[in-house]
Amino acid sequence: EAGVVQSPRYKIIEKKQPVAFWCNPISGHNTLYWYRQNLGQGPELLIRYENEEAVDDSQLPKDRFSAERLKGVDSTLKIQPAELGDSAVYLCASSLGFGTVNEQFFGPGTRLTVL
Amino acid sequence: AQKVTQAQTEISVVEKEDVTLDCVYETRDTTYYLFWYKQPPSGELVFLIRRNSFDEQNEISGRYSWNFQKSTSSFNFTITASQVVDSAVYFCALSETPYSGAGSYQLTFGKGTKLSVIP
Repeated sequence: EAGVVQSPRYKIIEKKQPVAFWCNPISGHNTLYWYRQNLGQGPELLIRYENEEAVDDSQLPKDRFSAERLKGVDSTLKIQPAELGDSAVYLCASSLGFGTVNEQFFGPGTRLTVL
Repeated sequence: AQKVTQAQTEISVVEKEDVTLDCVYETRDTTYYLFWYKQPPSGELVFLIRRNSFDEQNEISGRYSWNFQKSTSSFNFTITASQVVDSAVYFCALSETPYSGAGSYQLTFGKGTKLSVIP
């Protein structure tokens, strides 16, 4: 069974440019998460979807970040415009059912470097 | 607010040695879940274990074992007879139950412990 797929794996952009990350969760997983992992830190939740509904986006910087999960399957996370401090690894995870009590399966992440 | 502390930033051991990774957590909930994840150099977080707050039994899975002590708010992870393939960053994480209010679905991670197993 295929795991969580993310693309691209690496992205280098200049500040003020836009960037987008894509995630395809494990088939049948109705909950999808986006995390940001800064160097030397643990992942921090940005947004959680249950099907196509964003049920927890309290930590998403809404002035520059946006996300969507149309049709409740794959998802896109966008940053516009990017800032130097956005350099990090962006992880996507999915789980079966609702709530973090279920095991979350993580993708390999997208490493973003903002110059 | 929930918090996870992994005081050991980096640990190096020689292959076949036993090693214990410490995890201390803070929560005001009486019902919560604790997790350990492994992040190898490839970057993908791998689930190792989930434990709920009502189950204090220690668990053993092959060379891995976990010691959960509510009295000290600790959930420590021991690798017996370490191998080079165990080299990775290990994260402890905490999740409060869905019924505890705002942010309750959040999985809070510690900063991780980087384990290097030297051949």
